[in-house]
Amino acid sequence: DTGVSQNPRHKITKRGQNVTFRCDPISEHNRLYWYRQTLGQGPEFLTYFQNEAQLEKSRLLSDRFSAERPKGSFSTLEIQRTEQGDSAMYLCASSPTPETQYFGPGTRLLVL
Amino acid sequence: QKEVEQNSGPLSVPEGAIASLNCTYSDRVSQSFFWYRQYSGKSPELIMSIYSNGDKEDGRFTAQLNKASQYVSLLIRDSQPSDSATYLCAVRSVAGSYQLTFGKGTKLSVIP
Repeated sequence: DTGVSQNPRHKITKRGQNVTFRCDPISEHNRLYWYRQTLGQGPEFLTYFQNEAQLEKSRLLSDRFSAERPKGSFSTLEIQRTEQGDSAMYLCASSPTPETQYFGPGTRLLVL
Repeated sequence: QKEVEQNSGPLSVPEGAIASLNCTYSDRVSQSFFWYRQYSGKSPELIMSIYSNGDKEDGRFTAQLNKASQYVSLLIRDSQPSDSATYLCAVRSVAGSYQLTFGKGTKLSVIP
């Protein structure tokens, strides 16, 4: 499978716990994006990497969220001290150019 | 605040008919426009991109862009039940910003 992969696919956690998600982009894509999608809404941009550099971050993103892409390949998104409002689908996308973004299957997070 | 507006639907069309999906955007300097299809419980799948005024055709899909009216549409000809999904309009606004701003999506149902 040569598409974007994300792990885990589902995560259930208790409020206050930390969670970490992983995204493996398409191998030749140097651009990587994280989005969050809640029910009935379109995806909402969180952050963008070009290679290992984090070049854009949403102003709406809480400081409990942090993302890394240490070697310019896979990326991780960590949420600290989770809240019920963090329950959502977390989507990763990658692209070879700024224009076309290809999404992975997503990680569905439920915070109890 | 950049906004992308879509009629949430549901839009119901009979099999074989033309489905017309519409999207308006608020940021006049928007440059790139995309249509994604999202099946229930799945991640968005890119189906069309358009960058200049006019029509762009790809198989049964035609994207139309009118920058003066800040309007982009997607036509699906010979609609099939398998086209039943939520269609998301996405816009990339300014040079140097790589994030996509999504609308809430229009749910399309194709009735056999």
